[in-house]
Amino acid sequence: GEDVEQSLFLSVREGDSSVINCTYTDSSSTYLYWYKQEPGAGLQLLTYIFSNMDMKQDQRLTVLLNKKDKHLSLRIADTQTGDSAIYFCAEIWLTSGTYKYIFGTGTRLKVLA
Amino acid sequence: EAGVVQSPRYKIIEKKQPVAFWCNPISGHNTLYWYRQNLGQGPELLIRYENEEAVDDSQLPKDRFSAERLKGVDSTLKIQPAELGDSAVYLCASSLSRGELNEQFFGPGTRLTVL
Repeated sequence: GEDVEQSLFLSVREGDSSVINCTYTDSSSTYLYWYKQEPGAGLQLLTYIFSNMDMKQDQRLTVLLNKKDKHLSLRIADTQTGDSAIYFCAEIWLTSGTYKYIFGTGTRLKVLA
Repeated sequence: EAGVVQSPRYKIIEKKQPVAFWCNPISGHNTLYWYRQNLGQGPELLIRYENEEAVDDSQLPKDRFSAERLKGVDSTLKIQPAELGDSAVYLCASSLSRGELNEQFFGPGTRLTVL
């Protein structure tokens, strides 16, 4: 079955870069997303990447996609305490005429002051 | 602009009792999603609506779960009867279109505890 895996925890010092990794299983994914979830809140879309791209940069965020290895990463430059949250990768693909969405297990990022 | 509204925020019930969650999506969003998020996990899609039509309910446990979106706006998700394993956060999300790049806007969720 479909599965999107992430490491559970990541701890970094304020000002350092954070790299959150994700592996996915469906090679026909069309879009891959990164969502952020703060305590007691719903998920918020951070950024996304088309499956035909290798990299996308958006201010402090850099997304890298390795389709061959089905590996997605999110790099946060100059990590701030406000970046502490749970980060979810998600993939979407078309099957049997409908879109399927699968979220990863989430990576809890803790930023130390 | 108001975001996705969900109520209640918290619900504690005993097993075998019924429970209902309500969601009001962002105005104008025709697609509505219900997700279940277990502790330490990512959200899992239960059902997706396009207007009032349920277009994907393949992951909805139909023996005890039901949902409706009668007028294509707000929606209700019901569990009857609830079981201990139903304890989770139930998230509602909405989006403008059903296309591939459809940014989903999530509500804060309803945290259900079944005792």
